[in-house]
Amino acid sequence: NAGVTQTPKFRILKIGQSMTLQCTQDMNHNYMYWYRQDPGMGLKLIYYSVGAGITDKGEVPNGYNVSRSTTEDFPLRLELAAPSQTSVYFCASSTQGATNEKLFFGSGTQLSVL
Amino acid sequence: DAKTTQPPSMDCAEGRAANLPCNHSTISGNEYVYWYRQIHSQGPQYIIHGLKNNETNEMASLIITEDRKSSTLILPHATLRDTAVYYCIVPKIKAAGNKLTFGGGTRVLVKP
Repeated sequence: NAGVTQTPKFRILKIGQSMTLQCTQDMNHNYMYWYRQDPGMGLKLIYYSVGAGITDKGEVPNGYNVSRSTTEDFPLRLELAAPSQTSVYFCASSTQGATNEKLFFGSGTQLSVL
Repeated sequence: DAKTTQPPSMDCAEGRAANLPCNHSTISGNEYVYWYRQIHSQGPQYIIHGLKNNETNEMASLIITEDRKSSTLILPHATLRDTAVYYCIVPKIKAAGNKLTFGGGTRVLVKP
């Protein structure tokens, strides 16, 4: 049981390049999330999904896109990388419970845009 | 999410109990208090949550005041590996997508 797996762990992009951050979970969780964390700051929600085929914006969605074609995978796409997107990105998942349920996080992807 | 207030940092001696306070005076009657921690460079880790009664698990204890306006996370015997940022979160009940908002948290340094 691997939990939430993110790839790659590190990446350097040039301004204007594009890339996809991969996230997969093997816990059969309906809910998945993408957060970003700038140095010394708390986490900010980018996008989330409540199930396959359903996604919605979080607090800071500009510059990103997501898709959820399967329960397991929730990739995050950066189309035109900008220095402001330099951050650590965390993917998370949770069950769909009667009340708020705990989130399980991946180990993160450290992205630098130069 | 209901607003929470935590001290920005605190130190704790190894082997002693660490008591982390959190104020959440605008909490609603059916909202839970959650605690997560983030060890350097890692993803946040769930610790514990509670509604009104005190809770204990293998990681920590959670004490919620009777009026529910504040709570304390207790690490009974802090170790160096407990050095982390601790987040107190009060999510909206059944918020769409079970979203959580992470604020600044309390940076805890456990010293030998």
